[in-house]
Amino acid sequence: QPVLTQPPSASASLGASVTLTCTLSSGYSNYKVDWYQQRPGEGPRFVMRVATGGIVGSKGDGIPDRFSVLGSGLNRYLTIKNIQEEDESDYHCGADHGSGSNFVYVFGTGTKVTVL
Amino acid sequence: QITLKESGPTLVKPTQTLTLTCTFSGFSLNVSGVGVGWIRQSPGEALEWLTLIYWDDDKRYSPSLKGRLTIAKGTSKNQVVLTMTDMDPVDTATYYCAHTSGGDSGLDFWGRGTQVTVSS
Repeated sequence: QPVLTQPPSASASLGASVTLTCTLSSGYSNYKVDWYQQRPGEGPRFVMRVATGGIVGSKGDGIPDRFSVLGSGLNRYLTIKNIQEEDESDYHCGADHGSGSNFVYVFGTGTKVTVL
Repeated sequence: QITLKESGPTLVKPTQTLTLTCTFSGFSLNVSGVGVGWIRQSPGEALEWLTLIYWDDDKRYSPSLKGRLTIAKGTSKNQVVLTMTDMDPVDTATYYCAHTSGGDSGLDFWGRGTQVTVSS
């Protein structure tokens, strides 16, 4: 099954942009990745799914247009443009693997985003 | 509007069995492709996927916890029940339930979670 690697932290000044990276382990370059936002004290919120071709399907409910994704090789990126105070959150990536009784869903360790 | 809410005990003793209920609205678990899953998060740790049940009663379990977990549709058609046996202090976590539409859908709606502490 894939391992998803995320840097522990990132920061950006109010109104600037930040790009978060989720790296799949070797051999899983064709995998789709889901991004989730988790504000302090809240449950996770689906942002969107990304493959090497970009977004898959639709953004999650209420996700602003300033959130976008890209995929390249083993990396899946989430970019937040014009970052706002309410974007300060933990961001998790996840991916499903296998089918039937071998199905698993794995998460990365999350990236804490601070808005300066 | 899809909503999910977790409920259950906040404190359980080691070796006891935990039973959590996910009560949802805004969708039917009888619709093709739809599923409800459980995920937990220990303090300061990553999210951990536990289990998933689909509209057709097909079930998936985390290999590391498979022998301890049972997921089932509730007696009410808008509920899903998680049972975890032989609870240990390391199972202390916030437990979330989430909806998926299946296919190319992630876990697209989540509950707010319920905190469970395992302690004697």
